[in-house]
Amino acid sequence: QVQLVQSGAEVKKPGASVKLSCEASGYTFTKYSIHWVRQAPGQRLEWLAWINTANGDTRYLKRVQDRVTISRDTSASTAYLELSSLTSEDTGVYFCARDRRYCNNSTCYSMFVFDFWGQGALVTVSS
Amino acid sequence: DIQMTQSPSILSASVGDRVTITCRASQSISHWVAWYQQRPGKAPNLLVFKASSLENGVPSRFSGSGSGTEFTLTISRLQPDDFATYYCQQYHSNPQTFGQGTKVEIK
Repeated sequence: QVQLVQSGAEVKKPGASVKLSCEASGYTFTKYSIHWVRQAPGQRLEWLAWINTANGDTRYLKRVQDRVTISRDTSASTAYLELSSLTSEDTGVYFCARDRRYCNNSTCYSMFVFDFWGQGALVTVSS
Repeated sequence: DIQMTQSPSILSASVGDRVTITCRASQSISHWVAWYQQRPGKAPNLLVFKASSLENGVPSRFSGSGSGTEFTLTISRLQPDDFATYYCQQYHSNPQTFGQGTKVEIK
């Protein structure tokens, strides 16, 4: 069965960086894109980043794009999110999620809809 | 960015009730809307995509409708497992954005 297993909770000081991982299993990793979505305490979900796991193409939320990097290791079926220059506003739960994708005439496309999610990783930024 | 606004923010209902949640987009997004259920401390779960297409394995008591700027998620007969928070998401334009959530609580 499809599973996304994320790394554990992190506590960081303001100005530091954090790198989160998301290991996929139960499907062919390079056939589906991966996203990162975060949720600040009591807030709505916020999409952050996308990576095409086959070719490495990326897309980011504009307001964080100078601080965030999404990457992947296809040999380990793992995606990563690195966020730098952390502030208290980055505190929240970070989820990785698989893109649902749709296929037409043997060509598949990212839908930017999220069909399987990791369990989430709490990142706390505090001095 | 496209703003997604849900109503109500909190909905009190009883098991067996029919409930409807509304999501309005700040501009037309055709039918590019998904709905998710999130239980406390858990990841969201995809229920509906393309406004009205039910995801595999989702019970048929869930249904979605709408197009343009107004969308609804309906639960025909509320079950105990359905008390959770529901989010709409638009994927018409980058960045994908979510509504603020509707909490369905026990009356």
